Amino acid sequence: ELKVEQNPLFLSMQEGKNYTIYCNYSTTSDRLYWYRQDPGKSLESLFVLLSNGAVKQEGRLMASLDTKARLSTLHITAAVHDLSATYFCAVVQTSGSRLTFGEGTQLTVNP
Amino acid sequence: NAGVTQTPKFQVLKTGQSMTLQCAQDMNHNSMYWYRQDPGMGLRLIYYSASEGTTDKGEVPNGYNVSRLNKREFSLRLESAAPSQTSVYFCASSHTWGLAYEQYFGPGTRLTVT
Repeated sequence: ELKVEQNPLFLSMQEGKNYTIYCNYSTTSDRLYWYRQDPGKSLESLFVLLSNGAVKQEGRLMASLDTKARLSTLHITAAVHDLSATYFCAVVQTSGSRLTFGEGTQLTVNP
Repeated sequence: NAGVTQTPKFQVLKTGQSMTLQCAQDMNHNSMYWYRQDPGMGLRLIYYSASEGTTDKGEVPNGYNVSRLNKREFSLRLESAAPSQTSVYFCASSHTWGLAYEQYFGPGTRLTVT
């Protein structure tokens, strides 16, 4: 059974600081997704990572995938308040097709 | 282009009542999904429909049924609601099942069972 673990689950940081959210998964996969969810809202797709070594960047967020380590990271550079949200990674097992979600990382960026 | 729409947005049921959650997409996607989200947890797959005319169980199907009415619409039915089904329900769609294309999510239905 595929398990997806994110850490930290809660992250409070100051504006202007950098930080990384980690997503570990338990079985082989070469497809990983990052989503953002604002309170009371739906999920918004941020990144789709489809191969080992994939790196994607959008604004202050950069995501990477290391399939050998079964690890993805979401790096936040010079955080701003607007980035406050819950971030989910979701993984597709190589032999399957369903998305399995991590528990989410609740990020709060303080002025 | 509305994307994925869900009705209702909010619902309160009493234990034992039934209801159907509606979902529709206008992106001509083949695959559709129902998830539930509980506090502090990621989304868990209830049922999915890989293509029109097919449905399959996901991770947590007990207490639910689904109908893929046509390519656009995928409904989720609670036959006899229980407090454990209090949750936020999300419908999603994607272009194709087998290649796990990116999934697009609806706004959610917030269900409370008392």
